[in-house]
Amino acid sequence: DMKVTQMPRYLIKRMGENVLLECGQDMSHETMYWYRQDPGLGLQLIYISYDVDSNSEGDIPKGYRVSRKKREHFSLILDSAKTNQTSVYFCASRPGGANTGQLYFGEGSKLTVL
Amino acid sequence: GDSVTQTEGLVTLTKGLPVMLNCTYQTTYSPFLFWYVQHLNEAPKLLLKSSTDNKRTEHQGFYATLHKSSSSFHLQKSSVQLSDSALYFCALEGRGNYKYVFGAGTRLKVIA
Repeated sequence: DMKVTQMPRYLIKRMGENVLLECGQDMSHETMYWYRQDPGLGLQLIYISYDVDSNSEGDIPKGYRVSRKKREHFSLILDSAKTNQTSVYFCASRPGGANTGQLYFGEGSKLTVL
Repeated sequence: GDSVTQTEGLVTLTKGLPVMLNCTYQTTYSPFLFWYVQHLNEAPKLLLKSSTDNKRTEHQGFYATLHKSSSSFHLQKSSVQLSDSALYFCALEGRGNYKYVFGAGTRLKVIA
């Protein structure tokens, strides 16, 4: 069953605390993504990972870092969270090759930073 | 860099009416365009995709045609249903780097 799983689904943190968002996929996709979704801004790319330990910054990487030690697992880390990082975070994966298109999304992790 | 523009933030329609959601893009590469739909509290899911110029692609009653001459990929449906109420994103895949650029999204609200 093709699935992207995100944990936790809901998280409340205080400003300055560390945050770990985890994502797993069972499709052996090489490429994985972290996006954040804010009203009126659509989905903004934070980081892309092309495979294990092969990560690249997206459009808004500041304040975030990622880790990918296994192909099926991709983590997003916020060191010392800020209130403006309150958002819904989506992980996604993509099959390899050109013209294969589509992203498969997880159900999102809603982070509130107080 | 690549960009996607969706001009409508909110579209409200009575069920049974036709809809067109606008999407234009900019890229220096050969475009690969997508429409994703996101229902409330759910993950975005692929609705349509195309990289072929002037060919209509259809799925679940929705259709779109990629027009490279006008850099457009508008989403249409001839008769909207209440269940079509959702957030619709147009997206562009950047060639060679697998980075997708999303538009801001259009919320479609269908009323009885």
